[in-house]
Amino acid sequence: AQSVTQLGSHVSVSEGALVLLRCNYSSSVPPYLFWYVQYPNQGLQLLLKYTTGATLVKGINGFEAEFKKSETSFHLTKPSAHMSDAAEYFCALNSGGSNYKLTFGKGTLLTVNP
Amino acid sequence: SQTIHQWPATLVQPVGSPLSLECTVEGTSNPNLYWYRQAAGRGLQLLFYSVGIGQISSEVPQNLSASRPQDRQFILSSKKLLLSDSGFYLCAWGADRRNQPQHFGDGTRLSIL
Repeated sequence: AQSVTQLGSHVSVSEGALVLLRCNYSSSVPPYLFWYVQYPNQGLQLLLKYTTGATLVKGINGFEAEFKKSETSFHLTKPSAHMSDAAEYFCALNSGGSNYKLTFGKGTLLTVNP
Repeated sequence: SQTIHQWPATLVQPVGSPLSLECTVEGTSNPNLYWYRQAAGRGLQLLFYSVGIGQISSEVPQNLSASRPQDRQFILSSKKLLLSDSGFYLCAWGADRRNQPQHFGDGTRLSIL
């Protein structure tokens, strides 16, 4: 069965510091992976996706993620945090099956301190 | 471009009252449609999905139902709301391809009194 684990339900960084949000997955078939961001009282917005090809994926707002098959990981990074990055982040997995349902991690709340 | 609309944005309902939340998609045809609920600190729970008009699959037994009367319209309903139905409800659409993401509406905050 497929699963997504996000290590750390809450991550706090200082403005200008590196952002690292961790995501590990379990899938019996080659995975397709997504990162979403959710601001308070809003829907989820796609940050980036990995399907096939280049393992380092660049997304919006300066975020990127690297797919590492050997580590079953898809960690999200940003070199320098901005106050506007404060939000909840979800990692999601599509590992096949019917109707392209996504398996979501439980989310990581990112706080950015001035 | 494709857009997804959900309404209302917020809703306060008494226990035992009915519910109808609506979601519509524009700019695409025959999308897969999804209803999620997000409770505080509990991530996203898939409630229903639909691959076509009149085709509804339920993920968890509950007090809610869904319908898809038109290709790009998805409705979440209840005959009698429970306190436990409170939460943030999100509608999403996806293309019928595994490598495509789901796209979410802005959500409905439902409070049951």
